[in-house]
Amino acid sequence: DTAVSQTPKYLVTQMGNDKSIKCEQNLGHDTMYWYKQDSKKFLKIMFSYNNKELIINETVPNRFSPKSPDKAHLNLHINSLELGDSAVYFCASSHSIIAGGPSSYEQYFGPGTRLTVT
Amino acid sequence: DAKTTQPPSMDCAEGRAANLPCNHSTISGNEYVYWYRQIHSQGPQYIIHGLKNNETNEMASLIITEDRKSSTLILPHATLRDTAVYYCIVRANTGFQKLVFGTGTRLLVSP
Repeated sequence: DTAVSQTPKYLVTQMGNDKSIKCEQNLGHDTMYWYKQDSKKFLKIMFSYNNKELIINETVPNRFSPKSPDKAHLNLHINSLELGDSAVYFCASSHSIIAGGPSSYEQYFGPGTRLTVT
Repeated sequence: DAKTTQPPSMDCAEGRAANLPCNHSTISGNEYVYWYRQIHSQGPQYIIHGLKNNETNEMASLIITEDRKSSTLILPHATLRDTAVYYCIVRANTGFQKLVFGTGTRLLVSP
């Protein structure tokens, strides 16, 4: 069974379009994350949700809007896509970041979604 | 947050032990050392973490010096599948803190 899954795996679209990436985890975790890895391979956190509530919101353009319908799902919607949005987007999950403790930093990552904006 | 320093790249022969160092000389008492790796085209994978005692699991061993200013991740019998970028991250276990991935060490395991 896949612990953290993302769809789609690849996404090619044109500038100005709106697209969504979906993430699901079956680990029973309370906290989920979105990370962006750019062409230089730097991996940076974008958002974190704990039990459907936004906990971490890094300096990300408003065009990016995460949505968590339940604690097992965290989707990422991107409006008006730009060339600079091309990257690999990773979803991850962990035990509750609210509860703290070292296990909250044992994060389990999905396989990534490679987004290419042309 | 404590800063970590890792060599940019290392080589290891298949079947030999891979010892990946990490310097975290400004680590504070409540900060843990975490190791992750990222195999090409995959998501990062949690390996191990420790506070001050040495730790071992099915993937690796973590040796933390007594003064906690440095640590070493040991892959006892490296395989070709261990070729990856290895990240050493120091975090306190309080608050809504995020993992910050640096540039890591690119380990190449060769036959």
